[in-house]
Parts: sequence; C-alpha cells; structure tokens
Amino acid sequence: SQKIEQNSEALNIQEGKTATLTCNYTNYSPAYLQWYRQDPGRGPVFLLLIRENEKEKRKERLKVTFDTTLKQSLFHITASQPADSATYLCALDNYGGATNKLIFGTGTLLAVQP
Amino acid sequence: SQTIHQWPATLVQPVGSPLSLECTVEGTSNPNLYWYRQAAGRGLQLLFYSVGIGQISSEVPQNLSASRPQDRQFILSSKKLLLSDSGFYLCAWSSQGSNQPQHFGDGTRLSIL
Repeated sequence: SQKIEQNSEALNIQEGKTATLTCNYTNYSPAYLQWYRQDPGRGPVFLLLIRENEKEKRKERLKVTFDTTLKQSLFHITASQPADSATYLCALDNYGGATNKLIFGTGTLLAVQP
Repeated sequence: SQTIHQWPATLVQPVGSPLSLECTVEGTSNPNLYWYRQAAGRGLQLLFYSVGIGQISSEVPQNLSASRPQDRQFILSSKKLLLSDSGFYLCAWSSQGSNQPQHFGDGTRLSIL
C-alpha cells in the first residue's frame, strides 16, 4: 500500500542544535516533494520544494535532501530557535508532475527548548 | 500580493444541518483551488480540487460538495452534516501547473453536535 511516514513522536532539541526531520514514502514515485510548517490552529505555510532530479535545496537555515533510491527526504533546521517550534509536514506529488495535487504526511512536531 | 480568506474561523453545527464554508483569493487570477480536511493527529486529506470556474474534482466519496461560482471563490457545502464531518477545513490556492507551492487559509474548525 502507499504510505508517507513522518516521525510520529515529537522531536525535542536544544536551541542552537540542528533539527533533522524525516519523511519516508512507500509505493510513490513523486516528481517533487514539498515541506510546510504548521502552527497550532493555522494553515500550513510553504517552506521548500525539491524536485526528483535535485539532491539538495537550501534556504537560509533550512536544508532539504531528496533521495529517490531510499525514498526519503530529510529536512534540516540549523541553529534552531524556539520560534522554529511547530509541526512540519512533507507533501509529495504522485501524478508525475502532471497536476499540482499533493499528498501530505501527518507531520512531525518539533519543540525547540531555550 | 496574494491573500486567501476563509470564514468562519470556527463553527458549531447540529447533526443534520446544512453547511456553507467560503474561501476567496485576492491578488491572482485563474488559480487552482483546493479544499482539505485535517482530522486530529491525521494528515491533510484532499477533498476537492478545481482548475477553473465550474470545474470540480472530488477526491474522496463523502457527504460534502464544492462549487466554484467565480474564478477566485470556492465554496464547500453539505445538505446534512454528519458527526464524522467534524474537523479542521482548509482552503488553499496555487498557480496553474505543477511544481507549485500551495498557499493556505487559516482554516475553519467545524464541530458537529
């Protein structure tokens, strides 16, 4: 069956450390993958998009990797801050890039302790 | 700049009552529009997808319907709500084409009593 799996348990880290969140997928062949941030009671906010032919993408303190062999994406936040505390969602395309429909994971809650 | 508005923010409705949630987008034209539902501890489930006025794709069988009467207006409706319709409903838009990020509204928390 098709699955998108993100760490179901909350990730607790100390301020200043690097947070690494995992997104694994099974029986999908995404043309691209996106990461979003969601704060409680709010809609998700787009962070980064990475295509299947890209290994890594960076934006300020954020870095995303995409390994289509391992069927995994890693999302890194360097020099983490308490303001980075939120739920992070990965989402992938399962339509060969033909549409803009996405399939979302359940998200990982990140808590950065001061 | 583009903005997306959803209302109401919260709604409490009795079982069997009708529903109408509205979403409007400003600052862009001919967007793709989406309705999602997010249950507690669950991922976002795509309910409806629209690429243009009057063009609605239903992604899952359910008690809900959607309409797009204008280019930047997307409405989620039900004639008779069920307890299972409770959840957090999110509207989103994206530009046409693939590889486009989606931009979400702040959602409607719907509770069915």
